[in-house]
Amino acid sequence: KAGVTQTPRYLIKTRGQQVTLSCSPISGHRSVSWYQQTPGQGLQFLFEYFSETQRNKGNFPGRFSGRQFSNSRSEMNVSTLELGDSALYLCASSLVGGQANTGELFFGEGSRLTVL
Amino acid sequence: GQNIDQPTEMTATEGAIVQINCTYQTSGFNGLFWYQQHAGEAPTFLSYNVLDGLEEKGRFSSFLSRSKGYSYLLLKELQMKDSASYLCAVMGDYKLSFGAGTTVTVRA
Repeated sequence: KAGVTQTPRYLIKTRGQQVTLSCSPISGHRSVSWYQQTPGQGLQFLFEYFSETQRNKGNFPGRFSGRQFSNSRSEMNVSTLELGDSALYLCASSLVGGQANTGELFFGEGSRLTVL
Repeated sequence: GQNIDQPTEMTATEGAIVQINCTYQTSGFNGLFWYQQHAGEAPTFLSYNVLDGLEEKGRFSSFLSRSKGYSYLLLKELQMKDSASYLCAVMGDYKLSFGAGTTVTVRA
């Protein structure tokens, strides 16, 4: 069974640009969550999608957005990039997510974004 | 929101025992989780506690006290491959929030 796949793995952008990251969850998983990981802050929750609906959102500015497609694949977008957006962006999938989630998230390898 | 605290670093000797503490404050508590993350890799699920008490899984055990907002992860018979970051995560209000992680270094 294939794991969670994230693309691209590495990318470099400049301030003011925008970026789109993609995540393909494990087959059959309907919940996709996104996290930002930085050395000082650890894993910060961005948002969770379930059946194409954003079910929950973290405390990030509106420049961070996402969506989920009918096949459960998800994308996240960051517009008007800032230096502080440099981080590892992790996608995680689970069967149902939310309060029914037993916490067993399956993480992808992440997309490492560098903003210059 | 959630507030999760765990030590930044711990060092132990191969074969020893290490206990990683985690304290949290949250609303709508629905479980506490531990994840392991090796450098440059994705986090992997270790354990889940939703009721008070100890959950044992091989060399790893996790304990929860909901009234105290406290958990620990116990790693026994440490091996070199256990050198990693250990993340405490709390499910509250439909969100799974992570602590900053504890880097455990196992020395020969």
